[in-house]
Amino acid sequence: RKEVEQDPGPFNVPEGATVAFNCTYSNSASQSFFWYRQDCRKEPKLLMSVYSSGNEDGRFTAQLNRASQYISLLIRDSKLSDSATYLCVVNMNYGGSQGNLIFGKGTKLSVKP
Amino acid sequence: GAGVSQSPRYKVTKRGQDVALRCDPISGHVSLYWYRQALGQGPEFLTYFNYEAQQDKSGLPNDRFSAERPEGSISTLTIQRTEQRDSAMYRCASSFSAEGADTGELFFGEGSRLTVL
Repeated sequence: RKEVEQDPGPFNVPEGATVAFNCTYSNSASQSFFWYRQDCRKEPKLLMSVYSSGNEDGRFTAQLNRASQYISLLIRDSKLSDSATYLCVVNMNYGGSQGNLIFGKGTKLSVKP
Repeated sequence: GAGVSQSPRYKVTKRGQDVALRCDPISGHVSLYWYRQALGQGPEFLTYFNYEAQQDKSGLPNDRFSAERPEGSISTLTIQRTEQRDSAMYRCASSFSAEGADTGELFFGEGSRLTVL
C-alpha cells in the first residue's frame, strides 16, 4: 500500500460545481495532515491544514477521519481559478522523524466556464 | 530575495557526470527539505535538515545522492555518476521552525530541472 494515495483525476467540472477529493494514508501514527495546491509549472503551496474536527476556509472544507485513515477536501462553488493540482500531504512521523512530509501524487482539477 | 532560491534552474548533463544543485532558503528558516518531482507526480521526499544537521535521509534513492548544509543555511544536493533515470525537477523547501512538518508550511523554490542525456 502506498504511503499517501489520491485519485489522480482529472476532475473536469463546470464553474459553480462542488467537487470533493479524497486521500488515504498508510501510517496510523501520522499526526499532521495538509492540502497543498500546485499550479501548472509552479511550485506547491500550502492551501490548508486538516484538523480532526474538520476545518473550513471560505469555499474550502477539509475533513480527517483517523479511524479510516482518510482525508478529504471539498471545494464549493468552483471558480476557474481553482484549476490546479491538489496534493494531499501527511507527516508520516516514522521513527520519531518529525520532518518526513509525504506528498500524494496529486489530483488534477480543471474548472470549465 | 525573499523566497527560496535554487540554482541552476535548468541543468543538462551527460550520463556519468556529477551535478550539484544549490538551495538558498528563506533567511532565518531552520528547516530545509529536498524533494524530487517527476512530471505528473507529487513531490517525492529525499532528505531534510534542521540547522546543519541532516535529520532524515531515508528518501535518498541510493548512495549516488548526498546532501549537505554545512552552516545551517545554503544546502547542496549532489548526484554522482548521473543516470537518465535521475532526470526530474528537484525542489527545495524551507520552513521557519523545526516543527515545520507539524505546521505543514513549507515554502518551495522554483526548482532545478535536471536532464540527463
